[in-house]
Amino acid sequence: KQEVTQIPAALSVPEGENLVLNCSFTDSAIYNLQWFRQDPGKGLTSLLLIQSSQREQTSGRLNASLDKSSGRSTLYIAASQPGDSATYLCAVVTDSWGKLQFGAGTQVVVTP
Amino acid sequence: NAGVMQNPRHLVRRRGQEARLRCSPMKGHSHVYWYRQLPEEGLKFMVYLQKENIIDESGMPKERFSAEFPKEGPSILRIQQVVRGDSAAYFCASFSGGSYNEQFFGPGTRLTVL
Repeated sequence: KQEVTQIPAALSVPEGENLVLNCSFTDSAIYNLQWFRQDPGKGLTSLLLIQSSQREQTSGRLNASLDKSSGRSTLYIAASQPGDSATYLCAVVTDSWGKLQFGAGTQVVVTP
Repeated sequence: NAGVMQNPRHLVRRRGQEARLRCSPMKGHSHVYWYRQLPEEGLKFMVYLQKENIIDESGMPKERFSAEFPKEGPSILRIQQVVRGDSAAYFCASFSGGSYNEQFFGPGTRLTVL
């Protein structure tokens, strides 16, 4: 049974510092992995999607890596800003129907 | 190009009433997923639908919950005889059906059962 874990559960950094968010999964047979951002009381915004055949994806200040063999993904956010404060969720797809299985998230606070 | 739309955004029901949640996918998307986020819990898959078909309902509670995605109109998640434990945020996500499978989420419906 697939389990998705995100550590730490919460993180506070000063503005300008780089953020490193971790996601691990127990079953390496995934189709893809997706990182999302969720602001309080709001929906999810897709940040990056990494296909199982890919090692990383980049978008602006965001970079996500995927190591299927070790069951890990890391989301890097360079030069953090207060606007990056949110909960970050990772999710994997492990069946052909495409349903996402989520981690519990990492709550990030970037202090000015 | 409008994103995924959900309505209502907030819904209050008394125990025993029915709740109907609507989801309009992105233009060109014919696949819809529903997820539930209970207080202090993570997001959990409920059901996956394509137009006029339920493909995977393995996450749906066996009783009181049903979903549909008709040929015309939005997808509907229906909860009959709501109980306090149904209070949660319900999100739908859509994707186009291609191999890339990136899901785009709506803003959610926050259901409160009194």
